[in-house]
Amino acid sequence: DSGVTQTPKHLITATGQRVTLRCSPRSGDLSVYWYQQSLDQGLQFLIQYYNGEERAKGNILERFSAQQFPDLHSELNLSSLELGDSALYFCASSRFSGTAYEQYFGPGTRLTVT
Amino acid sequence: DQQVKQNSPSLSVQEGRISILNCDYTNSMFDYFLWYKKYPAEGPTFLISISSIKDKNEDGRFTVFLNKSAKHLSLHIVPSQPGDSAVYFCAASDVSGGSNYKLTFGKGTLLTVNP
Repeated sequence: DSGVTQTPKHLITATGQRVTLRCSPRSGDLSVYWYQQSLDQGLQFLIQYYNGEERAKGNILERFSAQQFPDLHSELNLSSLELGDSALYFCASSRFSGTAYEQYFGPGTRLTVT
Repeated sequence: DQQVKQNSPSLSVQEGRISILNCDYTNSMFDYFLWYKKYPAEGPTFLISISSIKDKNEDGRFTVFLNKSAKHLSLHIVPSQPGDSAVYFCAASDVSGGSNYKLTFGKGTLLTVNP
C-alpha cells in the first residue's frame, strides 16, 4: 500500500459526459501528479500541483483540468469525453527529501468511455 | 519523440537466474532515474532509483547500473523469483532543473520468471 488513494476504481460513462477523478496523497506529501496510461502506451504525464498551485503541465488536453485543494487532495476533471479518453488514470505524490525524488502511485482509476 | 526507451517488450527467465532489464534515454538533462514494477490492476510500485552522480545503486536483489556516456541504464534482479513477474517501467527526471520533478516513462518490459 503506497498510501495514495484514488476513487473511484472504475468508471464507465458515455461520450460527451464529464467525470471527476479524486486523489488523496500520502500524508505529508505536498506534490500531486496525474498520469494517463492508454493501451500500449507508457505512463504519460498530465499535470502537477504543489501545495495547491499548478506547477507543470504535460500532454493534457484542454478538455481536462485539475485542481489541488487546501487539504492537498486533488481532482482531475475530464469533460466532453471521447472514446479515446478510455485509459487508466494514475495519481502520484511525492515530498522530495532533498536526495530522493521518488513518486508513489495510487491504484488508479480505470475510465471506460462508451 | 520518445525520450525514454525500453526496447524489449518482454523478457522470460528461469527462477534463480539473473534478469536484466534495459533502458535508454535521449535527454541529456535527465539526472535521476527510477524503476517501477507494475502488476495488473495496480499502480506502479517504486523499486529503486539512482542519481546521475552514481553509476550503481543496490537494494537487496535489485541493482541499477547507470552509464551516462551511453545514456543507458539497466536493472539487474538476482536471483529472479516467480513473484517478480510483472511489467517493469524505467523512468527519468530532470531534478536539477527546478521544482518540477515530472517523470518520463518508458513503455515497459513484461518480465516473466518461470518456476
